[in-house]
Amino acid sequence: GQQLNQSPQSMFIQEGEDVSMNCTSSSIFNTWLWYKQDPGEGPVLLIALYKAGELTSNGRLTAQFGITRKDSFLNISASIPSDVGIYFCAGSRFGNEKLTFGTGTRLTIIP
Amino acid sequence: ETGVTQTPRHLVMGMTNKKSLKCEQHLGHNAMYWYKQSAKKPLELMFVYNFKEQTENNSVPSRFSPECPNSSHLFLHLHTLQPEDSALYLCASSRDTQGAGYEQYFGPGTRLTVT
Repeated sequence: GQQLNQSPQSMFIQEGEDVSMNCTSSSIFNTWLWYKQDPGEGPVLLIALYKAGELTSNGRLTAQFGITRKDSFLNISASIPSDVGIYFCAGSRFGNEKLTFGTGTRLTIIP
Repeated sequence: ETGVTQTPRHLVMGMTNKKSLKCEQHLGHNAMYWYKQSAKKPLELMFVYNFKEQTENNSVPSRFSPECPNSSHLFLHLHTLQPEDSALYLCASSRDTQGAGYEQYFGPGTRLTVT
């Protein structure tokens, strides 16, 4: 079945640093979504991508739909304390109404 | 506020109890979903409803019984659960199940503990 490999699994950074994470698939996806989940809450949609090569920003967040359609990247610039949480990628294939989720990247900011 | 609400937020139940989880979306969406989130595991899709019709049952045990009376409300009826069913149960909705309408919006979840 489809699997999404998300890396890194965890990141420990200092406030103000930039962050990069990625998601790779063994299959081609038509849609990539990035979510953030805070403890005890549901995932919140950050960015949606629908075209190969697409680069989309949401404030300090930028995500890209990989050219091969098998990967996606999320960057966070100048991290702040509220960026702490778990970031999930999710992808779907045309004709399949299921979203496949990655295992998440846990972001921690070191004081 | 994501427009998707879930009640209760926390639930503790014994294995012989019957309880229900409720989800309501205020986004005018046509599709609704139940997911299970366990520690250190990816989100697991349980059920999909599109225009009130169930279109996906991801091999979920019969002790979980969904109900979708209309496009805005989704229930998950629970009975004779097992301790391994303890998890965060998330509801989500989307405008459509394909293309640009497929962005799913999640509720805050119900933290279920089965004792």
